[in-house]
Amino acid sequence: DTGVSQDPRHKITKRGQNVTFRCDPISEHNRLYWYRQTLGQGPEFLTYFQNEAQLEKSRLLSDRFSAERPKGSFSTLEIQRTEQGDSAMYLCASSLAGGPHTQYFGPGTRLTVL
Amino acid sequence: AQSVTQPDIHITVSEGASLELRCNYSYGATPYLFWYVQSPGQGLQLLLKYFSGDTLVQGIKGFEAEFKRSQSSFNLRKPSVHWSDAAEYFCAVDSGGGADGLTFGKGTHLIIQP
Repeated sequence: DTGVSQDPRHKITKRGQNVTFRCDPISEHNRLYWYRQTLGQGPEFLTYFQNEAQLEKSRLLSDRFSAERPKGSFSTLEIQRTEQGDSAMYLCASSLAGGPHTQYFGPGTRLTVL
Repeated sequence: AQSVTQPDIHITVSEGASLELRCNYSYGATPYLFWYVQSPGQGLQLLLKYFSGDTLVQGIKGFEAEFKRSQSSFNLRKPSVHWSDAAEYFCAVDSGGGADGLTFGKGTHLIIQP
């Protein structure tokens, strides 16, 4: 068990640019979650996948955000036309499916939009 | 919709003293409850969880929490804190068996005085 990994750990970009983050879940976990955490707040749910299917999206996930999990393994989160308000920590978590299970979190990607 | 309240934004405790962090949730049925800890710039580490059964749950690093249905609370305790416990602590609730993600409180920042 190597844990959840995320890449990159830090990203600095200019307003209007597109960015993409990657998450590799724990290998046997078929659920994968994305959260956003701003300074001084708890993480907020963005979306989740069960295998390759995206089953739930928060209203926080504007049309500039898109997430994929093409083969049911790793996932990517893309933000198009970044805005300064997108600056946050983006956290990925994974879990088993079929009821309540513990979500295990990765180290996060810190995005700064200048 | 469910919500989680952590009424204390900051708590300062002397090393070796006892600790209690408060968490109240709002949800109609029995929720699944979690406490996570986050060190600066890092992801979240699970301390403990409550799904069912014994309402006093033990976790890692000497932490425990008690689920009190009548008070809608899930407070975190530790009998004697160590300087390494300084971190941000988040209470979270899962009301959908994982399908809606976790709902987090805003966190409590724990400061340890020597």
